[in-house]
Amino acid sequence: GESVGLHLPTLSVQEGDNSIINCAYSNSASDYFIWYKQESGKGPQFIIDIRSNMDKRQGQRVTVLLNKTVKHLSLQIAATQPGDSAVYFCAEWAGANSKLTFGKGITLSVRP
Amino acid sequence: EAQVTQNPRYLITVTGKKLTVTCSQNMNHEYMSWYRQDPGLGLRQIYYSMNVEVTDKGDVPEGYKVSRKEKRNFPLILESPSPNQTSLYFCAVAGGNIQYFGAGTRLSVL
Repeated sequence: GESVGLHLPTLSVQEGDNSIINCAYSNSASDYFIWYKQESGKGPQFIIDIRSNMDKRQGQRVTVLLNKTVKHLSLQIAATQPGDSAVYFCAEWAGANSKLTFGKGITLSVRP
Repeated sequence: EAQVTQNPRYLITVTGKKLTVTCSQNMNHEYMSWYRQDPGLGLRQIYYSMNVEVTDKGDVPEGYKVSRKEKRNFPLILESPSPNQTSLYFCAVAGGNIQYFGAGTRLSVL
């Protein structure tokens, strides 16, 4: 079946370093790929998204890369800060009238 | 400011006692959905609604009901809760491809 998954369950990085969180997907029909951040005790928050016709999109300190050839999505966080510590989810959506499918999540831990 | 409001935030109940978790939005969006979040299983969709009076099953609908009588509200109903429904529940509202999540309802069924 179709699924969205993450390679690593946890990631520990030094404050100030760059973080890279990876995600694999299997539904080639997905139109949108989205990264969410979930802090302890809160609901998931939208970070950034990318359409299937793009390879890269940049936001404030975050960049999402999409490699459709190998069905791989990554989230890069520049100069990681303690406030970036959270669980990160990738999700895929095939557009209107379809549902959002989430990966299982990866915990990012930032060491001071 | 976009708001998705869930109530209650925490609930402890007993097996078989009907309960309702409410969800309301202030964004006038059509798409609303419910998820449950469990350790190791991530977020799984329970039900979703494309518009008023239009609801459909997600991945794990068994044991749940929903209604969408008006655009802003999408309550989740557990007619006869069981311990395996102990979980963290999120309501979400979609504006385009972005889903806005509520703060969550932590439910414990004893």
